[in-house]
This record gives sequence, structure tokens and C-alpha cells, in this order.
Amino acid sequence: DSGVTQTPKHLITATGQRVTLRCSPRSGDLSVYWYQQSLDQGLQFLIHYYNGEERAKGNILERFSAQQFPDLHSELNLSSLELGDSALYFCASSVVEGGLDTQYFGPGTRLTVL
Amino acid sequence: AQKVTQAQTEISVVEKEDVTLDCVYETRDTTYYLFWYKQPPSGELVFLIRRNSFDEQNEISGRYSWNFQKSTSSFNFTITASQVVDSAVYFCALSEAGANSKLTFGKGITLSVRP
Repeated sequence: DSGVTQTPKHLITATGQRVTLRCSPRSGDLSVYWYQQSLDQGLQFLIHYYNGEERAKGNILERFSAQQFPDLHSELNLSSLELGDSALYFCASSVVEGGLDTQYFGPGTRLTVL
Repeated sequence: AQKVTQAQTEISVVEKEDVTLDCVYETRDTTYYLFWYKQPPSGELVFLIRRNSFDEQNEISGRYSWNFQKSTSSFNFTITASQVVDSAVYFCALSEAGANSKLTFGKGITLSVRP
């Protein structure tokens, strides 16, 4: 158990809908990263938050947005869903040890868009 | 731009065989970090190891060992005496220097260990 929690575990929805994925980082971790894993694209970085502020963006669609709250949990919002958004969405939180950053991943949320 | 190549897509071995998973990376950074993660059938991503670019010492942890060679930009992973529980997808990943950096993943290698 990495200590990172994600809810829900599974989500089935229809095209055009909006969903919110939630991530709680490990205790004390200030960074949250979101990744998408799909058959086509593999594991891709979406966005990174550190202590409530957005730090970096990757291949994140404009229909997707995220935020990190004062209690450090993060939410990834996916709107106007398309079939191609079906994927496994991971969040990771990181701990800096000796100046080095290691990301620990949550169990993922499997999103199915029908 | 950073890139990680895992040329092997699927490997199948019989239990107790040794197996090596290859990873080749590209980066313009002089300082960077390399990782291996395991994704068992249950789906979670499990951290296995982190290696810094300035530390080429190989590492052994039980049946697992890692061979980092800067000269060939490779960070290979060997499982000795494989077991059925080693069946999983293994990802090699790269991040740039500094804390809080995104991971660039390879496509992953599916390892099947048959009894």
C-alpha cells in the first residue's frame, strides 16, 4: 500500500458527461501528479500541483482541469467526455528525500466512457 | 525532450529462469533520475527503484538487480530465479533533475512467468 488513495476505483459514464476523480496524497507529501494510462498512449503525465499551486502541465486536454486544495487532496475534472477518454487515471504523490523526488502512485481510477 | 524506449514488449519465461528487461533512455540533461515501476495484474503501479545519473553503481535487492550504464544510456533490470508472482508489466521511467519533476515512461514490458 503506497499510502496514496484514489476514489472512485471505477467509474462508468456516458459521452458528454463530466466526472471528478479524487486523490489524497501520502501524509506530508506536498506534490500531486496526475497521469493517464491508455492503450494508445501508454502512461502520460497530465499535470502537477505542489502545495496548492500548479507547477507543470503535460498532455492535458482543455476539457480537463485539476486543482489541489488546502488539505492537499487533489481533484481531476474531466468534462465533455469522449470515448477516447476511457483510461486508467493515476495520481502520485512525491516525497523529497535528500533532495531527490520519488513518486508513489495510488491504485488508479478506471474510467469507462460509453 | 526526454524519451524512454523499452524495445521488448512481451517476455515469457519459465519459473526459475533469469530474465533481463531492457531500458534505453534519451535526455539532454546532465543530471537526471531513472526509475523502474511494476504494474501487477491488479493494476496499481509499484515503485521498485530510483537511480541518480551521477551514481553508476549497480544495485541488487534480493532477486532483483539493476545495471546502469551511462555510456550506452541504458538502465536494465534483471530478475534472477523468476517466480510466477513476478508476472506483471514493468515500466522504466525518467525524470529531469530537481525535485517535483514529471516522469516520462516507456511503453512497458509484459513479463509472464509460467510455472
